[in-house]
Amino acid sequence: RKEVEQDPGPFNVPEGATVAFNCTYSNSASQSFFWYRQDCRKEPKLLMSVYSSGNEDGRFTAQLNRASQYISLLIRDSKLSDSATYLCVVSPRFAGGTSYGKLTFGQGTILTVHP
Amino acid sequence: GAGVSQTPSNKVTEKGKYVELRCDPISGHTALYWYRQSLGQGPEFLIYFQGTGAADDSGLPNDRFFAVRPEGSVSTLKIQRTERGDSAVYLCASSPVSGADTQYFGPGTRLTVL
Repeated sequence: RKEVEQDPGPFNVPEGATVAFNCTYSNSASQSFFWYRQDCRKEPKLLMSVYSSGNEDGRFTAQLNRASQYISLLIRDSKLSDSATYLCVVSPRFAGGTSYGKLTFGQGTILTVHP
Repeated sequence: GAGVSQTPSNKVTEKGKYVELRCDPISGHTALYWYRQSLGQGPEFLIYFQGTGAADDSGLPNDRFFAVRPEGSVSTLKIQRTERGDSAVYLCASSPVSGADTQYFGPGTRLTVL
């Protein structure tokens, strides 16, 4: 079983739609959670961190359920420019809160937003 | 400011050859990471440097892979006796402090082994 699992999609949605991506992780030592975005043939870029209480950044909302080891990303009012691969990422932490550094990525979910 | 740079951007080699891939991290970043991304997959961790030393090399697939960072800045990933299965995009990332959550990725080196 992969350490981080995502539905690879692809998701094809019209502009203005709301779309949700889900991700599960298997390592209970995981303590830091992120969503990265990767455009075609480009490097991954941090979209947002995911906090236990859930967090929002404009049209993007991330949720974390530690009990179920489940992470989600909601995109509202989709734009053409949101078309990309969305990578769910987890990282363990050392005791005391310092991040370990190794990122474990899911395989990514492909999103295409069409006019 | 300048981001993470990687050279070459593309490398085509023949099976059995030796290759070196270079990473220039963001100036002042102490932590440096190498990942490998195969087609249709997410990046896979290879090795993590804190300063000059490899803090975690558990992701290196076998002893054909080796990485160095002799002066705590530029890093080189070295692959001996390349195999077709080594074909992938090799990504380098850096972060400002040890184990910082935010890692800044370079554009990658696309390695093709014929």
